[in-house]
Amino acid sequence: EAGVTQFPSHSVIEKGQTVTLRCDPISGHDNLYWYRRVMGKEIKFLLHFVKESKQDESGMPNNRFLAERTGGTYSTLKVQPAELEDSGVYFCASSPRWLAGFYEQYFGPGTRLTVT
Amino acid sequence: AQSVTQLDSQVPVFEEAPVELRCNYSSSVSVYLFWYVQYPNQGLQLLLKYLSGSTLVKGINGFEAEFNKSQTSFHLRKPSVHISDTAEYFCAVSDSVAGGTSYGKLTFGQGTILTVHP
Repeated sequence: EAGVTQFPSHSVIEKGQTVTLRCDPISGHDNLYWYRRVMGKEIKFLLHFVKESKQDESGMPNNRFLAERTGGTYSTLKVQPAELEDSGVYFCASSPRWLAGFYEQYFGPGTRLTVT
Repeated sequence: AQSVTQLDSQVPVFEEAPVELRCNYSSSVSVYLFWYVQYPNQGLQLLLKYLSGSTLVKGINGFEAEFNKSQTSFHLRKPSVHISDTAEYFCAVSDSVAGGTSYGKLTFGQGTILTVHP
């Protein structure tokens, strides 16, 4: 079974440009989460999809960030326009449908975004 | 609101020595507790978790952690480390209420880099 994949692994862009990060969750996982780690800081929650619906986007830093999950499969996170403080590692995680109790979140390797 | 504090940003140890990575949390609701490990160029991998029951939790690769509710701590331990344990370790919490508003959202600590020297 393939794990969570993220593309690209690294991205270097200039301030003001647009970047789109992609996450492919484990097949069949309804829950998809985005997290971000800014250098020297903790990993922080950005948002959570259940299938194609945004369940919680309380962690999105501002309206320059747009996340989508069309069809409830892969997800994209677009940053437009990028600012220096957007640099960091963006992680995606997925878990099965959350009926009750606990389901492990499986993390991808992350996308390292550098804004210059 | 929840918060997690990992008390050590870096922990150097020699191979075969014991190690303890410290984690304290605060939360207004009951929580699930986790330790994740990230090896270089890889994603986060779940090391162990506390959901309920016995406060001593055993995980993969010989790691264990003890949940102490009164001290709001969840320290990670291993009696004898190997070179291959060199990695960054993250303590995390989520709400334990099924169907609650957080839906499994994780709150992480700052991470502890464990370096095992030969």
